[in-house]
Amino acid sequence: DAGVIQSPRHEVTEMGQEVTLRCKPISGHNSLFWYRQTMMRGLELLIYFNNNVPIDDSGMPEDRFSAKMPNASFSTLKIQPSEPRDSAVYFCASSFRHQETQYFGPGTRLLVL
Amino acid sequence: QKEVEQNSGPLSVPEGAIASLNCTYSDRGSQSFFWYRQYSGKSPELIMFIYSNGDKEDGRFTAQLNKASQYVSLLIRDSQPSDSATYLCAAYGQNFVFGPGTRLSVLP
Repeated sequence: DAGVIQSPRHEVTEMGQEVTLRCKPISGHNSLFWYRQTMMRGLELLIYFNNNVPIDDSGMPEDRFSAKMPNASFSTLKIQPSEPRDSAVYFCASSFRHQETQYFGPGTRLLVL
Repeated sequence: QKEVEQNSGPLSVPEGAIASLNCTYSDRGSQSFFWYRQYSGKSPELIMFIYSNGDKEDGRFTAQLNKASQYVSLLIRDSQPSDSATYLCAAYGQNFVFGPGTRLSVLP
């Protein structure tokens, strides 16, 4: 079975532009997580979904960030407008159930100039 | 604020030695605990999980959990240079909380 798929793998954009990150979870997994990782702050949970419903978005830094999960096989994380401080690696992870082992995608390396 | 704490390292051990990685957590309601390994530039990958007090062994890896002390550890026996990575501890209570990670360097 394919693992968690993320796209794009790398994104370079200019400040003020809209950025959309995509994630396809492992088939059959019911929970999906979005994380951000930086050297300074480590791995931070931004939001997670259970059965396509957002459960906890308290980690979303501000209104510029939004996430959707229109169906069980697809989720997006959007940043609009992007800022240089958003530069980080964004990981998507999925699990069969919320409390169980999470499997991470390869990540999207975002650089905002 | 629920927290998971780890020594950031780097922890350096010679090849063949036992590497001991430690983690403490603040949420007494945490039910399950996970160790992930992350190579530089890669995504975290699961090493082990543990739910019950005591030891759990898987090959060269042993996870230890002491809920009374709110302490989790990972022992790596016969350390290899390929074990050099950052090890992330995670605790699940109401949500997953990851520690900052400990960087392990195994010296040939």
